Amino acid sequence: EAQVTQNPRYLITVTGKKLTVTCSQNMNHEYMSWYRQDPGLGLRQIYYSMNVEVTDKGDVPEGYKVSRKEKRNFPLILESPSPNQTSLYFCASSFIGQGGYEQYFGPGTRLTVT
Amino acid sequence: GQNIDQPTEMTATEGAIVQINCTYQTSGFNGLFWYQQHAGEAPTFLSYNVLDGLEEKGRFSSFLSRSKGYSYLLLKELQMKDSASYLCAVSREDSNYQLIWGAGTKLIIKP
Repeated sequence: EAQVTQNPRYLITVTGKKLTVTCSQNMNHEYMSWYRQDPGLGLRQIYYSMNVEVTDKGDVPEGYKVSRKEKRNFPLILESPSPNQTSLYFCASSFIGQGGYEQYFGPGTRLTVT
Repeated sequence: GQNIDQPTEMTATEGAIVQINCTYQTSGFNGLFWYQQHAGEAPTFLSYNVLDGLEEKGRFSSFLSRSKGYSYLLLKELQMKDSASYLCAVSREDSNYQLIWGAGTKLIIKP
């Protein structure tokens, strides 16, 4: 089954404790992206990757890191989480090319930082 | 810059038709997407418009007018399962996969 998986689905942590949210896709997509979703706001892009070893900042990258060592995986790292990073996080992937390509989203990770 | 506006919430009756509008201010873009998001779930793709006009896909249709900076999603024969948020997004001028997202319209269907 074609899918994007994220782990964990729910996480409660404390300020300053490093954490990693994993994302994996099995569709051989070149493009992968991390978003956060907060009430009343649209999805905001954190980081994206066009292919292996190619990553770039989105609109809200502060406080986050990513890596793309393999095509299928795109982990999101919070080195020192703060309460303002409490949010719902989605990983997404798609093909790259001409035309409009739909993005496939993971199930989401609900993060609470106390 | 780019900005997208959608109504925050709409209510409609089961079996009826509803139109969800999306207006955008952007210096240029490639196309416009609509996604559906049920509460607590991931967004799923509904439609993509690049040319002006209406694209029909079953009970759902999407319309785009580039000159007016306007799109709408039309849902016919509403079912209770259509209760969800509907997200409008435009691709950035230089990219089909970098999207600017609206905040979404929460659609409530009543029996």
